[in-house]
Amino acid sequence: GENVEQHPSTLSVQEGDSAVIKCTYSDSASNYFPWYKQELGKRPQLIIDIRSNVGEKKDQRIAVTLNKTAKHFSLHITETQPEDSAVYFCAASNMDSNYQLIWGAGTKLIIKP
Amino acid sequence: NAGVTQTPKFRILKIGQSMTLQCAQDMNHNYMYWYRQDPGMGLKLIYYSVGAGITDKGEVPNGYNVSRSTTEDFPLRLELAAPSQTSVYFCASSYTGGGYNEQFFGPGTRLTVL
Repeated sequence: GENVEQHPSTLSVQEGDSAVIKCTYSDSASNYFPWYKQELGKRPQLIIDIRSNVGEKKDQRIAVTLNKTAKHFSLHITETQPEDSAVYFCAASNMDSNYQLIWGAGTKLIIKP
Repeated sequence: NAGVTQTPKFRILKIGQSMTLQCAQDMNHNYMYWYRQDPGMGLKLIYYSVGAGITDKGEVPNGYNVSRSTTEDFPLRLELAAPSQTSVYFCASSYTGGGYNEQFFGPGTRLTVL
């Protein structure tokens, strides 16, 4: 079955710098890749997602890139701000079969003032 | 829309007790899910449902049961609670279509088994 690995487990960056979180997946049939943000004590919320027919997607300061050949995708956050501090989860799914999301283990992003 | 609601918010159980975690959504979503999240860890799928009357096991179903008699409700039953079931439980729902699958999460239930 699908397996998603996420790195790093913790990332500390200076406010204003960029942050990059990477995920790799094992099932080449996966075609949907969302990213969720979970603030401390809160529920996970979708921040951006990408389909396999697209190589990159941007939404203001966040972007996701997908490399289907290498089977990895990344979340990029530019000009980081204190409110970006959270745990970020990647996931992968085959939307042509059972729709289940297979989740990465999460990355704790710390923004240093 | 209230979105996805869960009750209770917190609960302490003694070993061997049973309880039902309630989950409801008012978005007419076909898919519903139950996850558990242990401290500092990721999300593990317990059970999911693709529609009323249809449920299936996820990654960690042992010790739990679910039912889906209506589109709106998806209760999770814990039988014979054990300390290993201490966790935060999230219910989620999604409408699958168009190649996307945004899952909307409830606020969670923090369960402690002593």
